[in-house]
Amino acid sequence: EPEVTQTPSHQVTQMGQEVILRCVPISNHLYFYWYRQILGQKVEFLVSFYNNEISEKSEIFDDQFSVERPDGSNFTLKIRSTKLEDSAMYFCASKDSTNTGELFFGEGSRLTVL
Amino acid sequence: SQKIEQNSEALNIQEGKTATLTCNYTNYSPAYLQWYRQDPGRGPVFLLLIRENEKEKRKERLKVTFDTTLKQSLFHITASQPADSATYLCAPGVGSGSARQLTFGSGTQLTVLP
Repeated sequence: EPEVTQTPSHQVTQMGQEVILRCVPISNHLYFYWYRQILGQKVEFLVSFYNNEISEKSEIFDDQFSVERPDGSNFTLKIRSTKLEDSAMYFCASKDSTNTGELFFGEGSRLTVL
Repeated sequence: SQKIEQNSEALNIQEGKTATLTCNYTNYSPAYLQWYRQDPGRGPVFLLLIRENEKEKRKERLKVTFDTTLKQSLFHITASQPADSATYLCAPGVGSGSARQLTFGSGTQLTVLP
């Protein structure tokens, strides 16, 4: 069964460093998302991406965050200068063209900022 | 502002009983509602979708109802098993635009006791 894959599974970084989280969505999907989940809290929307541009973004997704689909298969989330409060599990998700389609999530990348 | 409330953070039930989880929403007019399961440290997994014109949807031991007047969805697991222990998330979906993000409730942590 097709799945969304994310790398790395866990990354530890120093505050102020740049981090890139990578995702390979399901191949025929058109809509891509990043969510994050701080330990013990709810799954929060960060950004959606369609047709090579951002469709929606939340208040969390400030100028420190960016997304890219550099080569037609990878979908990346970059955090330019990490802060302690960026420590969380980051989930990538993708969806097909159906309006009510389910989101397929990856297993997540755990980011720890020291 | 839009709000999603899921009943009690934790629900413990005995194996074999029916678990009933509640999702209430305010300031929303969702065209559909999705339910997901999340195991610790893993990404959410889609379970069921119910549309606004459907009163009830079933899948194996799962049943979802959707009452747009009460602004509520109920999620039932019949003949519950310890393997059903997980956090269950509801996500009301707005119908306009396939790229629209899903907003998740905070979830109900279900524990099925053997």
